Amino acid sequence: AQSVTQLGSHVSVSEGALVLLRCNYSSSVPPYLFWYVQYPNQGLQLLLKYTSAATLVKGINGFEAEFKKSETSFHLTKPSAHMSDAAEYFCAVSGAGGYQKVTFGTGTKLQVIP
Amino acid sequence: GAVVSQHPSRVICKSGTSVKIECRSLDFQATTMFWYRQFPKQSLMLMATSNEGSKATYEQGVEKDKFLINHASLTLSTLTVTSAHPEDSSFYICSARTGDRGYNEQFFGPGTRLTVL
Repeated sequence: AQSVTQLGSHVSVSEGALVLLRCNYSSSVPPYLFWYVQYPNQGLQLLLKYTSAATLVKGINGFEAEFKKSETSFHLTKPSAHMSDAAEYFCAVSGAGGYQKVTFGTGTKLQVIP
Repeated sequence: GAVVSQHPSRVICKSGTSVKIECRSLDFQATTMFWYRQFPKQSLMLMATSNEGSKATYEQGVEKDKFLINHASLTLSTLTVTSAHPEDSSFYICSARTGDRGYNEQFFGPGTRLTVL
């Protein structure tokens, strides 16, 4: 079984500041990890994914995340927040390999203050 | 590439009626499609998994007779909410997965907002 915990349902940052969204996972098998972004009334868009290759994963829109097995973490970062980054972000986990069920976290709403 | 559409984007219906939501993969063949439900300010809850040409697999607690899922082709899956009630009001999102990815990436539709009066 897998689960993810996203610390902080709401995060506020100033425009230009560092974005850090936290995600810790639990998995009984080697995990695949994902970060998705959701804009209001829209579906989810994949930001990045970890699939057991490089532990530092770079995604779209300047986001990146680092898989840390010792900390069971997969935190999402971006050096400089932009107003357009304001959205809901979901961390997700599945078992490694294809055709495994994906479990989503409860989401973190990012607010960017001008 | 990998675009998934949903129709309608919004639907309002009266209590007791049935509503059908379509999910289409526009530029790829989806061997597996998923249906999620998202309540306000909450995460996505998987309702069911459907594979083309076979019966859907429902998650525990999801009424299969109320949420009918059909995956008749490699590009289309439908979710029918039968005898809808106000508590069925929610945001329904589908996703599709191809058969040739090893890392389980799902492509999401834009969602359908269902409001039952």
